[in-house]
Amino acid sequence: KAGVTQTPRYLIKTRGQQVTLSCSPISGHRSVSWYQQTPGQGLQFLFEYFSETQRNKGNFPGRFSGRQFSNSRSEMNVSTLELGDSALYLCASSMGQGAGSDTQYFGPGTRLTVL
Amino acid sequence: GQQVMQIPQYQHVQEGEDFTTYCNSSTTLSNIQWYKQRPGGHPVFLIQLVKSGEVKKQKRLTFQFGEAKKNSSLHITATQTTDVGTYFCAGRSGAGSYQLTFGKGTKLSVIP
Repeated sequence: KAGVTQTPRYLIKTRGQQVTLSCSPISGHRSVSWYQQTPGQGLQFLFEYFSETQRNKGNFPGRFSGRQFSNSRSEMNVSTLELGDSALYLCASSMGQGAGSDTQYFGPGTRLTVL
Repeated sequence: GQQVMQIPQYQHVQEGEDFTTYCNSSTTLSNIQWYKQRPGGHPVFLIQLVKSGEVKKQKRLTFQFGEAKKNSSLHITATQTTDVGTYFCAGRSGAGSYQLTFGKGTKLSVIP
């Protein structure tokens, strides 16, 4: 079974631009979660989607948004990029059925650098 | 909101020594998960603990979930260079919670 894939793997943008990251979950998984990982803050939860609906959202500004398609693929968008948005963005998929017990399978991440 | 604190932030050990990382939550957890991230890699699931006082072992790794379900630990016996990486705990605060809150991780270095 193929793992979680994320595209692109690396991205360089300048301040003020916007970016869209893509995540394809493991086949059969209906939940996709997004995390931002930085050296200082660790792994921070952005949002989680299940069957095209956002079920939960972390404490990030409205510049961070996401969506999920009917095939469970997900995208996240960051508008008006700031230098502090430079990070590794990780996507994780899970079955999504049991909210209290799902194992997260992480993708390799997208390394975003904002200049 | 829920906070998960993890200590220590860094740990350097000589190969063969033991290693322990601790995780404490500000709220009672429905379950706790542990992940390992190798340098340059992504987090990989290790184990999940659900029951109060639960103890699980995976070869040299021992995981514990506290009686109050607010703390957990990971202990590695006789570390090896292959244990190098960052270990994260992650907890869910309630049965209906879809949000997994991660600790900041403990970065383990093993000196051969």
